[in-house]
Amino acid sequence: DIQMTQSPSSLSASVGDRVTITCRASHDISSYLAWYQQKPGKVPKLLIYAASTLQSGVPSRFSGSASGTDFTLTISSLQPEDVATYYCQKYNSVPFTFGPGTEVDIK
Amino acid sequence: QAQLVQSGAEVKKPGASVKVSCKASGYTFANFAMSWVRQAPGQGLEWMGWISAHHGNTNYAQKFQDRLSLTTDTSTQTAYMELRDLRSDDTAVYFCARDAEYYHYLGVWGTGTTVIVSS
Repeated sequence: DIQMTQSPSSLSASVGDRVTITCRASHDISSYLAWYQQKPGKVPKLLIYAASTLQSGVPSRFSGSASGTDFTLTISSLQPEDVATYYCQKYNSVPFTFGPGTEVDIK
Repeated sequence: QAQLVQSGAEVKKPGASVKVSCKASGYTFANFAMSWVRQAPGQGLEWMGWISAHHGNTNYAQKFQDRLSLTTDTSTQTAYMELRDLRSDDTAVYFCARDAEYYHYLGVWGTGTTVIVSS
C-alpha cells in the first residue's frame, strides 16, 4: 500500500503568518490528493481536491500545490479560525489512506 | 443541500457487533458512493471502506476485511456500517462521508457516531 506522511506533525504560528504543510506519498498518486480541515470536536471539512482545486466556499487564503509525490497546503495569512488539524488523503486507488495530520495553532 | 445524519452513540461489549446508520438527504442517493472513516480518541482519521450506493459494490481496507460490512438501502436513502467482533480499540467516532461524483474525495460528511467498546 502507498503510505502518506505529513510534516510537520504540529506547528505554532502568529496571526497573519504564511503557513505551509507538506504531505508526501510513497509512490506516484498523480494529483489524486485531497486536504481536509478538522477543528477541535468537529467533523472534517474538505478544503482542496485534485491537489490544487479549492472546494467551493473555502477561503482563498488556502491553496494547494503538487510536485511529484510531494504536496503542499498553504495558508497565506493564518487566521484564528484556522486553528485545526489538517489531513491529506490519497484517492487514486484503495485504500484511500489519510496522512497522520498536522496540528496548527496560534502562537 | 446534501446532508448525512447518523444514528446515535452506542456502547457495546467486546465481541459484540454494532450497526451504524447514515441517512442521506438533499441529493440523489444512488448517484454517489459512500465511504466510512473512523477516528479513535485523540487519533487521526482512518479510512475503512466504501460502497457504491447504486451497485452495492464494496471495497474494504485490509484490516477490516473480515469484520466489516457496508450496505445501502436506496428506498430509504440510508447507508449502514456493521462492524463485528468488537474490541476495545474499536472505540472511536465513526463517520460516513459522501464521495464526489466520479472520484473518492469526501465532500459531505456525516454527523459522526461514537461507539464505545467496554466490558
